[in-house]
Amino acid sequence: AQTVTQSQPEMSVQEAETVTLSCTYDTSESDYYLFWYKQPPSRQMILVIRQEAYKQQNATENRFSVNFQKAAKSFSLKISDSQLGDAAMYFCAYRSSGNTPLVFGKGTRLSVIA
Amino acid sequence: GAVVSQHPSRVICKSGTSVKIECRSLDFQATTMFWYRQFPKQSLMLMATSNEGSKATYEQGVEKDKFLINHASLTLSTLTVTSAHPEDSSFYICSARGLLGGGYEQYFGPGTRLTVT
Repeated sequence: AQTVTQSQPEMSVQEAETVTLSCTYDTSESDYYLFWYKQPPSRQMILVIRQEAYKQQNATENRFSVNFQKAAKSFSLKISDSQLGDAAMYFCAYRSSGNTPLVFGKGTRLSVIA
Repeated sequence: GAVVSQHPSRVICKSGTSVKIECRSLDFQATTMFWYRQFPKQSLMLMATSNEGSKATYEQGVEKDKFLINHASLTLSTLTVTSAHPEDSSFYICSARGLLGGGYEQYFGPGTRLTVT
């Protein structure tokens, strides 16, 4: 079974600085998808960024980018120019190809210090 | 992005009663819906997967007779917690997956906080 590991339960960053959240996963599959979700205090899950495993290019969405290392099974999220609104729980997630459920990591709580 | 709604957002019920939570995909057809449970400060735990018109597939350890899932249409799935007990108190989140923009995308509802007294 696939597993997703987030080794940082909590992180903090100064406003306007950059922070990187770590995620590793374990799978024997070659075709899959990786995601980062944000869950603010409202608890609404928000998709931050996604990466298809077959794409070598790292995904970027404005201030959010990933470092996808397929061989190392690593998928870290970099948040640049951190803003107060970025404070939330961040979950890394994996999905196999096909109609399979997301597998979530345990999450990293990010605090942004003004 | 697409919208998934859940109703109610909060519910309080007495021990021994049943409560139904609705999950709707408002602007797309959800071929698959997922139900998650989230305890405070923890991750989402998958309870079951349901495909429209089929019986739900429950994860190991989830009592299918206690958590009844119905996915009768492409826009509606319901989770009924039967004979609720205080230990069923939790945050329940649904997620809907459908064909959007040329690929399958998944969106989450805002969640339902269930308190059993």
